[in-house]
Amino acid sequence: KAGVTQTPRYLIKTRGQQVTLSCSPISGHRSVSWYQQTPGQGLQFLFEYFSETQRNKGNFPGRFSGRQFSNSRSEMNVSTLELGDSALYLCASSSGQGTYEQYFGPGTRLTVT
Amino acid sequence: DAKTTQPPSMDCAEGRAANLPCNHSTISGNEYVYWYRQIHSQGPQYIIHGLKNNETNEMASLIITEDRKSSTLILPHATLRDTAVYYCIVSARIGGYQKVTFGIGTKLQVIP
Repeated sequence: KAGVTQTPRYLIKTRGQQVTLSCSPISGHRSVSWYQQTPGQGLQFLFEYFSETQRNKGNFPGRFSGRQFSNSRSEMNVSTLELGDSALYLCASSSGQGTYEQYFGPGTRLTVT
Repeated sequence: DAKTTQPPSMDCAEGRAANLPCNHSTISGNEYVYWYRQIHSQGPQYIIHGLKNNETNEMASLIITEDRKSSTLILPHATLRDTAVYYCIVSARIGGYQKVTFGIGTKLQVIP
């Protein structure tokens, strides 16, 4: 099976802009979770989508949003970018059932200048 | 979510067993123990999980104490490629979803 793919791998944006990141989960997986990783805060949970519905959310401002499509692919959007949004954004795929181990993609490295 | 405590760093000689401890004294009865690792600049990699029985797969073994308050991940023959940050997580599905909280993990350095 192909693994989790994320696009783009690297991105440079300017403060105030918005950005959309994409994640394609493992075939057959219906759950996609998003995480932000920074040196200071570590890995932080953003939100999880299952069957096109957000069913769990972390403590991030409303500028961070996401969606999931019928083919389980997911997008994450960050509006009005701030310098502090510079991070590695990771997507994790899971069946969404059973014991729920997650399989992570390589991440998108976002730099906000 | 139950919290976990791991040593911030450990060294292991190449070819020897690496034993990574994790304390989770407030674990609930329905929470599983998961281990992931993250090699520098890559996404975390799932290693193994368990509820109360010891588990083994091709990558590692997981030993959970009888009271479930601690666990140990064992890499039987560590190689240089096992150098990574190892995360111990406890989590359960509640209401159909699962929230995963990563701590700071243990930075394992395998030494030649």
